[in-house]
Amino acid sequence: AQSVSQHNHHVILSEAASLELGCNYSYGGTVNLFWYVQYPGQHLQLLLKYFSGDPLVKGIKGFEAEFIKSKFSFNLRKPSVQWSDTAEYFCAVDEAGGSYIPTFGRGTSLIVHP
Amino acid sequence: EADIYQTPRYLVIGTGKKITLECSQTMGHDKMYWYQQDPGMELHLIHYSYGVNSTEKGDLSSESTVSRIRTEHFPLTLESARPSHTSQYLCASESSYTEAFFGQGTRLTVV
Repeated sequence: AQSVSQHNHHVILSEAASLELGCNYSYGGTVNLFWYVQYPGQHLQLLLKYFSGDPLVKGIKGFEAEFIKSKFSFNLRKPSVQWSDTAEYFCAVDEAGGSYIPTFGRGTSLIVHP
Repeated sequence: EADIYQTPRYLVIGTGKKITLECSQTMGHDKMYWYQQDPGMELHLIHYSYGVNSTEKGDLSSESTVSRIRTEHFPLTLESARPSHTSQYLCASESSYTEAFFGQGTRLTVV
């Protein structure tokens, strides 16, 4: 079965620090990759996604992620975090072609101190 | 703004009661999902549907049932609620070529 691992469960940073959240998946076929964000009291929403093409994906609010196929990884990065980035971040994977159900990682709780 | 709605947002109910959590989407998505999420934990898939009259159980064992009589509607029913059912329930939908869109969730407490 497909699985998604997020290695950092809790991250605490100060404003302006750089962020990198790790995500690895186990599926060997062609995949679609996602990062979702859940701000306090809000619903899960898409941060960025990779379907094909350039493995470096730009998302909203200055986030980006890089798909490294050989490492089965899709790490999320932001060069300078803000207090408003405090949220839960979830990595998700599904099979390209649309027949597979999205599998989510455990999530990373990010707290950014002003 | 995603057009997927869950009601109620919060529900406190006594043990043994029957409850139905509602989920509706207006995007015409064929696939719909129910996830269970406890604080600080991953999303666990409990039910999914590929379309009308299609329902399947997910990875997490659940005593709930679902139905998909209409494309836009995917309700989840608990016949007899127990304290172990206390959790947050998230409904989502997607087409084959988009990401998943999530509702606001229903936070269920069974006392």
